[in-house]
Amino acid sequence: GAGVSQSPRYKVAKRGQDVALRCDPISGHVSLFWYQQALGQGPEFLTYFQNEAQLDKSGLPSDRFFAERPEGSVSTLKIQRTQQEDSAVYLCASSPTSAGRKDTQYFGPGTRLTVL
Amino acid sequence: GESVGLHLPTLSVQEGDNSIINCAYSNSASDYFIWYKQESGKGPQFIIDIRSNMDKRQGQRVTVLLNKTVKHLSLQIAATQPGDSAVYFCAETPGYDYKLSFGAGTTVTVRA
Repeated sequence: GAGVSQSPRYKVAKRGQDVALRCDPISGHVSLFWYQQALGQGPEFLTYFQNEAQLDKSGLPSDRFFAERPEGSVSTLKIQRTQQEDSAVYLCASSPTSAGRKDTQYFGPGTRLTVL
Repeated sequence: GESVGLHLPTLSVQEGDNSIINCAYSNSASDYFIWYKQESGKGPQFIIDIRSNMDKRQGQRVTVLLNKTVKHLSLQIAATQPGDSAVYFCAETPGYDYKLSFGAGTTVTVRA
């Protein structure tokens, strides 16, 4: 079956540009997570959606980062006025039930963002 | 087989040998632990998980051991194959939370 997909796989942006990263979770999955992975590090939590509701955005590093999941399926992570420190791999993960159930999170391949 | 008592960032193992990857966690409230495998250019791939009410769980060629007393987690891979070469992360989450906290990762290289 189809897993989590993300697009684009690679994005190069000039400093100050806005970018939008897309995540298509596994069909029917209730929970959706965004993580940021710096080079050589483990992923770090950014934000969590349960269906269309953004229940936790405590990991977003600044107000330049914005995420949405308007219909409870596809999600978009938007970064405004990108900075060099935003360069990282952005990972999306989904799980079948609400996060309180501690189900396995299945990750997509990530989008590698490079800000010049 | 190769084994390490402490977390090391890299592990080189001969094909066919068993390998052991260690992970220490700090949050005594953590009750759910997962091992992920990440190959170059790909997202983390689920390997096996364990909850805090267990101390051992086996999968296909993999075994996870949990020692809550010393807050230590290990992943054993039997008969390591070239396809096992990757970065392995342990992740944890406490009972009151769902955010995965990832460890530093161990790069496993399988020698032919």
